[in-house]
Amino acid sequence: QVQLVESGGGLVKPGGSLRLSCAASGFTFSDYYMSWIRQAPGKGLEWVSYISSSSSYTNYADSVKGRFTISRDNAKNSLYLQMNSLRAEDTAVYYCARALRARYGMDVWGQGTTVTVSS
Amino acid sequence: EIVLTQSPGTLSLSPGERATLSCRASQSVSSSYLAWYQQKPGQAPRLLIYGASSRATGIPDRFSGSGSGTDFTLTISRLEPEDFAVYYCQQYGSSPPEYTFGQGTKLEIK
Repeated sequence: QVQLVESGGGLVKPGGSLRLSCAASGFTFSDYYMSWIRQAPGKGLEWVSYISSSSSYTNYADSVKGRFTISRDNAKNSLYLQMNSLRAEDTAVYYCARALRARYGMDVWGQGTTVTVSS
Repeated sequence: EIVLTQSPGTLSLSPGERATLSCRASQSVSSSYLAWYQQKPGQAPRLLIYGASSRATGIPDRFSGSGSGTDFTLTISRLEPEDFAVYYCQQYGSSPPEYTFGQGTKLEIK
């Protein structure tokens, strides 16, 4: 079935790094735009980053620009988020989600992986 | 940057009642790029509405979306017990490509 599964979350100290992965299955991954969205404890949703289907375009929220890098490997059906210089305010559940086209919304989401930044 | 403001913050209703949730944008948004999501505790969000008014696959017809420009509405015609959740609106801007979410409306049982 169509599925996105995130991994790579954990506890990291401020200033540290972490790499999140999102494994896709059950659909043609290379057809879809992908995004990372995060949700801090008890808070709302915050879009983090976007990558086009062929990796031609990427973009980031101002809050993570210059610290996070999104990438994908269509041959491995995988999406990644390299997170550097982590701060306490990056603590959140991180979701990956797909969109065939922006106008169709994010129709499949992963279950999320938790990142905690604390000393 | 477009800001989406949802109201009310919390809506208390009973099963069987009609729910009307609002999403107001700080500047005009293309209807094609306005979506609504439902999120229950401990779960990932679920796409309900895209293109302001099109229901996503498997979404019951008691959910409907409307609006244009800066004002958008999600309506749930008759609330079922499983509809009590948090609802988010989202817009997509293409230059550069980015998404913005509203702060959410919590729909709770009265």
